[in-house]
Amino acid sequence: DTEVTQTPKHLVMGMTNKKSLKCEQHMGHRAMYWYKQKAKKPPELMFVYSYEKLSINESVPSRFSPECPNSSLLNLHLHALQPEDSALYLCASSQLISPEQYFGPGTRLTVT
Amino acid sequence: GQQLNQSPQSMFIQEGEDVSMNCTSSSIFNTWLWYKQDPGEGPVLLIALYKAGELTSNGRLTAQFGITRKDSFLNISASIPSDVGIYFCAGRPLTGANSKLTFGKGITLSVRP
Repeated sequence: DTEVTQTPKHLVMGMTNKKSLKCEQHMGHRAMYWYKQKAKKPPELMFVYSYEKLSINESVPSRFSPECPNSSLLNLHLHALQPEDSALYLCASSQLISPEQYFGPGTRLTVT
Repeated sequence: GQQLNQSPQSMFIQEGEDVSMNCTSSSIFNTWLWYKQDPGEGPVLLIALYKAGELTSNGRLTAQFGITRKDSFLNISASIPSDVGIYFCAGRPLTGANSKLTFGKGITLSVRP
């Protein structure tokens, strides 16, 4: 299994809603990542988990809250988002010391 | 911080043509990666390069790790319509123990049938 899966595919939420994005991989990768991508731009790193522990937070606002329940799952909890947070949210995974990151298909988030 | 330069922003070619794109940096990278992203999908890893001068192929794609460690090249031969997409280079610098990648801004490739 060489796939990273993400759910949901699309999400529309109001600024007062609370929602969660989910990511799963079964490649035995011990590093997992959240990226945000705006149209026609490269992915921007948000968070990195190594061995289920948060190792990098790229100064992301607290309205984004990551969680890594186990080595296969990664969640991103969303609360009180702003319209400018609308973007494609990508999850990726890799072997711990490998630069080869494998991306999921993303969740297209629209904040109204 | 490190930046990767990809230009032009868009390329237009005829089906069957070869196309080359490059990625340059003012600082050294010890790993270069090339990704392709289709609309509405996540980036897909095409090729990874680990040694200066390394030349690696994946089907019709060939990529090279520049000898100076400051650039990389991707060549697509005999282009087909499904080659359409955004091509991102990414690199990991020589220093730093983490796995953070630096991405180029991407090149949008269009293939005319």
